[in-house]
Order: sequence, then C-alpha cells, then structure tokens
Amino acid sequence: GESVGLHLPTLSVQEGDNSIINCAYSNSASDYFIWYKQESGKGPQFIIDIRSNMDKRQGQRVTVLLNKTVKHLSLQIAATQPGDSAVYFCAEPPGSSNTGKLIFGQGTTLQVKP
Amino acid sequence: DADVTQTPRNRITKTGKRIMLECSQTKGHDRMYWYRQDPGLGLRLIYYSFDVKDINKGEISDGYSVSRQAQAKFSLSLESAIPNQTALYFCATSDRDRAPQHFGDGTRLSIL
Repeated sequence: GESVGLHLPTLSVQEGDNSIINCAYSNSASDYFIWYKQESGKGPQFIIDIRSNMDKRQGQRVTVLLNKTVKHLSLQIAATQPGDSAVYFCAEPPGSSNTGKLIFGQGTTLQVKP
Repeated sequence: DADVTQTPRNRITKTGKRIMLECSQTKGHDRMYWYRQDPGLGLRLIYYSFDVKDINKGEISDGYSVSRQAQAKFSLSLESAIPNQTALYFCATSDRDRAPQHFGDGTRLSIL
C-alpha cells in the first residue's frame, strides 16, 4: 500500500544550526506533499507544500526539496530556533482520490539545544 | 479566536459511556475531518464530510459516528466508549481536495 514515512524519530540540533528532516514515500504517482509542524498540546500546523512539477520550494527559513527519482523529500530549516522545537510530519493525499485523506508519516521530533 | 475549535479539550470517562466531541470552524470551509492520533501510529482518518449532506467513513470508523449539523459544525460520537479509543482526537478543515488542512488543537480523551 501507499506509505509516507520519516527516517528518524528524533533530531537534536544546536540553536543556530540548520536542520534537515527527511521523508520517504512509496507511491511513484504521488504529486503533492505537505509538511506540518505540531507543537506540544496543539494540532498540526501547515508549514509548506510542494508539487511534483517542482524539485525545490522555499518559504521563510524553510526549504522543501523533492527528489522524485528516489521518492524522497526533505524539510530544511535554516538557523534553527528554540521555537522550532516540535514534531514535524510529511503528508500526501493519495493518488487521484478526492477523499482529502492525508497519509501522515509518524513524525520526527526536533529538539533545539540552546 | 481559533479558526477551528474543539470541545472539550480534555475528557476522562468510563467504558460504556456515550461521548460526543464537538468541532466548529470559522474558516468557511466545506470539508471537515476527524482524526485520531496515537503514539507510533501517526494520524488516522475516522470520518470526513465534504458538505452538510455528505458523510464518509475513513480508515478506522468502527465504533464512531459523526453528525454534520451545519457547514461550520462537525461532531464525533463514541456510542459506547472502550479503553482502546483512548487517544488524541483532531478535527480539521479544508477548502478543496488536495489542499492543506487546518487543524484544531485536539481533544485528549481517556477511557477508563
């Protein structure tokens, strides 16, 4: 079946360093991906998305890279700050379905050390 | 004010009780969803609704029911709660398919 998964359950970085969170997917027909951030006690919050006609998209301090050849995407956070500490999920809607169902990876916990 | 509001935020109840979780939104979105989140399992879809007259089962709908009372309101019911329904429940909205969803802050439900 389809799956989207994150590589590491926990990532610890020093404040000011760059963070890279990875995600792999199995469906080669996947064409749209979303990254969410979930802080403790809150719901997931949209960060950035990318469609398969792009291999890179930048936001404010965040960049998402998509490698369709190896079915891998990553979220890069520049100059990581304590407020970036959270769980990060990658997600995609399945195939041509219009259910709106998002397939979530289990999440990577980002810990920022002062 | 939050765009997607869930009530209650926390609930502890006993096995066999009927429970209703409420969700309301001010985003004007037609699509609403209920998820549960369990450690190690990520988020799983329970039910979703594309408009007031539309209700669809998700991947884990057994033991749950929903009601879409209005465009802005979508409630989730556990008719007879059991301990393995202990989880964090999230409501979400979107304005179209294949688009980012907007989540509430969740209801933490514990069933003893």
